[in-house]
Amino acid sequence: GQNIDQPTEMTATEGAIVQINCTYQTSGFNGLFWYQQHAGEAPTFLSYNVLDGLEEKGRFSSFLSRSKGYSYLLLKELQMKDSASYLCAALDSNYQLIWGAGTKLIIKP
Amino acid sequence: GAVVSQHPSWVICKSGTSVKIECRSLDFQATTMFWYRQFPKQSLMLMATSNEGSKATYEQGVEKDKFLINHASLTLSTLTVTSAHPEDSSFYICSARVDYPSGGPQETQYFGPGTRLLVL
Repeated sequence: GQNIDQPTEMTATEGAIVQINCTYQTSGFNGLFWYQQHAGEAPTFLSYNVLDGLEEKGRFSSFLSRSKGYSYLLLKELQMKDSASYLCAALDSNYQLIWGAGTKLIIKP
Repeated sequence: GAVVSQHPSWVICKSGTSVKIECRSLDFQATTMFWYRQFPKQSLMLMATSNEGSKATYEQGVEKDKFLINHASLTLSTLTVTSAHPEDSSFYICSARVDYPSGGPQETQYFGPGTRLLVL
């Protein structure tokens, strides 16, 4: 079956760095997405990786290892507004997004 | 760019009524749109894939006669919840997949702001 695993909840301190991991098992693979979702709002696109390696975009970076079925989202210089759920989603061979349950990130001052 | 709108943002209705939710891609064409449902503290659940000019593809367990989807144009898909009941109360979110020409970045979905449905 198809499966996405990510931690349910993480806590970090303002100004610090946090890494949110995601492992996936899908029927075929056409890329890995990370979305941010604040409470009561729709998800917003953060990153898309289809090749191995690290993609940096400001304070956020996303990494992919296709051979390991593994990705992580790295958030630097954490701000209080980064408190949100972070959703990992893999695109399968039918170009259908398979969603993880999301990681709730709590930022403490 | 890549803005998706949803209307209405909030609906409160009586049990037994039908509710229509619109999803529009404002500055791009989207042959394919997706309808999701999200219950509190749970992840997104894909309900159906909406394809312009053809029938929607429903996920297992989603009643196609209860959740009617019409993708009338390349920028508009509608979801109608027929004879809504309290258990249909949820956060309904649509997303649209950008129609890029070949070789462009593929498959990014852009989400609408969501519609909160409360059935009394």
